[in-house]
Amino acid sequence: DQQVKQNSPSLSVQEGRISILNCDYTNSMFDYFLWYKKYPAEGPTFLISISSIKDKNEDGRFTVFLNKSAKHLSLHIVPSQPGDSAVYFCAASARETSGSRLTFGEGTQLTVNP
Amino acid sequence: DTEVTQTPKHLVMGMTNKKSLKCEQHMGHRAMYWYKQKAKKPPELMFVYSYEKLSINESVPSRFSPECPNSSLLNLHLHALQPEDSALYLCASSQVSGVRHYEQYFGPGTRLTVT
Repeated sequence: DQQVKQNSPSLSVQEGRISILNCDYTNSMFDYFLWYKKYPAEGPTFLISISSIKDKNEDGRFTVFLNKSAKHLSLHIVPSQPGDSAVYFCAASARETSGSRLTFGEGTQLTVNP
Repeated sequence: DTEVTQTPKHLVMGMTNKKSLKCEQHMGHRAMYWYKQKAKKPPELMFVYSYEKLSINESVPSRFSPECPNSSLLNLHLHALQPEDSALYLCASSQVSGVRHYEQYFGPGTRLTVT
C-alpha cells in the first residue's frame, strides 16, 4: 500500500518558468510534509516543509501548498533554474514516540532546460 | 552545521565478508536513521535510534546489524550479504522532539555492491 504517491515520474520546464510538482497521500495521520531534492550519487537534501495545520509555506523560490481535504500537496519553484534539475521526493511524517518516520513518494525527475 | 558524513563512499564486498558502514553527525540530534535506496526508488527506512537506543527495526534481516556507540555515531555492520543487498545506504539524523523534529538530514550515502 503506497501511502505517498508522486504520479509524474518526470517533468520538463523551461528556465524562468514555473515548475509544479505534485504529491498525493492516503494516511490521515501524517502531520508534516516535506520535499527533498536529490542529485545522483548524493543523499537527499531537505528543501521545505509544511505542517498539516497550514496550507502554504514559502521559502524564496520554493512554495509548498497543502490541500488537506484532497490529501494533496504541491511544490512550486519559480523561477526555475537549470541547477534545479534533480529528483524531487515528497515525504510525509508520522509522529513516533522517538524521532519521526518518513514515508517517501517515488520521486519526480525535474529537468529545467536553458 | 547541517552536515551528516558517511564512510566509505563506495564499498564492494563478497558474500562472505564482514564490513561496516559509518555515519557521524554533530548537530546535537538524538535520533539517527538508516535507509536503503535502490535505483530509481525512494529511500526505505531500516532502523531508527533514539537516545542511542534502537526504537524501530523495519523487519530487516539479521545480516544487517546496527549499532549506536554514542549520540554522534551510527554504524551498520554487514555480514553474509546477498547480491540483492546492493544499494545506496543512507544515514539521517533529526531532533527527537521540538518544532523541527520531523526534519531529517541525510548524509551522502555509501554505495554498496555485493559480489
